[in-house]
Amino acid sequence: DTEVTQTPKHLVMGMTNKKSLKCEQHMGHRAMYWYKQKAKKPPELMFVYSYEKLSINESVPSRFSPECPNSSLLNLHLHALQPEDSALYLCASSQGGGGFDEQFFGPGTRLTVL
Amino acid sequence: QKEVEQNSGPLSVPEGAIASLNCTYSDRVSQSFFWYRQYSGKSPELIMSIYSNGDKEDGRFTAQLNKASQYVSLLIRDSQPSDSATYLCAVKIQGAQKLVFGQGTRLTINP
Repeated sequence: DTEVTQTPKHLVMGMTNKKSLKCEQHMGHRAMYWYKQKAKKPPELMFVYSYEKLSINESVPSRFSPECPNSSLLNLHLHALQPEDSALYLCASSQGGGGFDEQFFGPGTRLTVL
Repeated sequence: QKEVEQNSGPLSVPEGAIASLNCTYSDRVSQSFFWYRQYSGKSPELIMSIYSNGDKEDGRFTAQLNKASQYVSLLIRDSQPSDSATYLCAVKIQGAQKLVFGQGTRLTINP
C-alpha cells in the first residue's frame, strides 16, 4: 500500500487565522517531507523529518511550523500567512536511511490565503 | 548552472508514437533518479526509479540512465492521450535526503 493521505483537501484562511495541515502514512516509512508547489513549478522542499526528528528546514519562515507526533503522522501548523503562501502543499514519505529512497506523495492540500 | 535540467516543452506527440523525455544533471555523486508524472491539479506520482546505468522497463515506460554523460531519459511507447501530463525528473544525491527536481516537461498526446 503506497498511500499517503492528507487533510484537508482544500483550505481557505485569512491572514490572521491559525490552521493545521495533516499527513498520515502507514507504509512504515521513517522519513516524511513537506513541500510547497506553485503553479507550473516543481515541488519546493520545506521540511524533512527523519526518525521523527527535524533534519532539514529549508529556511522556511516561522509562520510555518512542522510537527511530527509519531512516525506515521506529520502536521504543518500555519499562522499569520500571507497571500503569496497560497499554493499546493504536498506531504511525502520514504523509507529513510539514506539509500535509494523513493518518495511517495500524498494528494496535497490546496491552500488559499485571503 | 541548474542542477537538474529538463526541456520545458511543451512536447506534442501523436497518439501511438514514442514520447521521449530527457533530463541532465550536474552533480556526479547523484545516486538515484526518478520520474514523476503530474496531472494538472494533482500531486506527483512516481512512475519510474532507476539507479544503475542502462535501461529499465515497466510496461510502456522505459527509463534510461547514462552516468558518464549525466543524463536520464524516459521513453513512453504507444503514447495514449491519458499520458498527457507534466513529467518531473528528480535526482537524489548520495548521502542526502533531498530530491532535486527539474522544472518539468509538459507532454501532450494528440489523438
